[in-house]
Amino acid sequence: SQTIHQWPATLVQPVGSPLSLECTVEGTSNPNLYWYRQAAGRGLQLLFYSVGIGQISSEVPQNLSASRPQDRQFILSSKKLLLSDSGFYLCAWSSAGEASWQYFGPGTRLTVT
Amino acid sequence: QKEVEQNSGPLSVPEGAIASLNCTYSDRGSQSFFWYRQYSGKSPELIMSIYSNGDKEDGRFTAQLNKASQYVSLLIRDSQPSDSATYLCAVRSGYSTLTFGKGTMLLVSP
Repeated sequence: SQTIHQWPATLVQPVGSPLSLECTVEGTSNPNLYWYRQAAGRGLQLLFYSVGIGQISSEVPQNLSASRPQDRQFILSSKKLLLSDSGFYLCAWSSAGEASWQYFGPGTRLTVT
Repeated sequence: QKEVEQNSGPLSVPEGAIASLNCTYSDRGSQSFFWYRQYSGKSPELIMSIYSNGDKEDGRFTAQLNKASQYVSLLIRDSQPSDSATYLCAVRSGYSTLTFGKGTMLLVSP
């Protein structure tokens, strides 16, 4: 069966510090991968998605970036965090296809102070 | 701009009642529809998907789709306190990414 991991689970970082969140998927190959952010009281905002190694699509221009160095690894980064970057960061995967379901990882709760 | 609208709630129902959660979407070309449940502080988990007009039942859950009215609903029969959560509606058009609603909070009282 497929499993999706995210770490760390929680993170408290000062404004201006760098960020690196990691997501890995097990039990499948060539998944579509996604990064979402859910701010307090708000909906899920798609940040990036990837359909293959090195292929990244950005949905929202901001100070975040994403990379996919391996087939089942997706990394979210920032060089300098802003207060507004606080939120619940969720990685998700799906198989290719119109009807494919999207499964979420456990998430990383980021607080920027 | 593709939009998915949900009443934020909370929707309060007594234990054992039917909870009805509704969702409307703006993109008439949407083909796939999903319902997720999100407990407080946790990540969303997939409950059901529906692709054709009509009803789809899975245990206590029934998803209903009306493409002409651009309307999706989720019925939860025999609601339990453990069903208390936020329910997210998600819509996909073709091979595009999912668009999520902001969710409806459901509270089931014992």
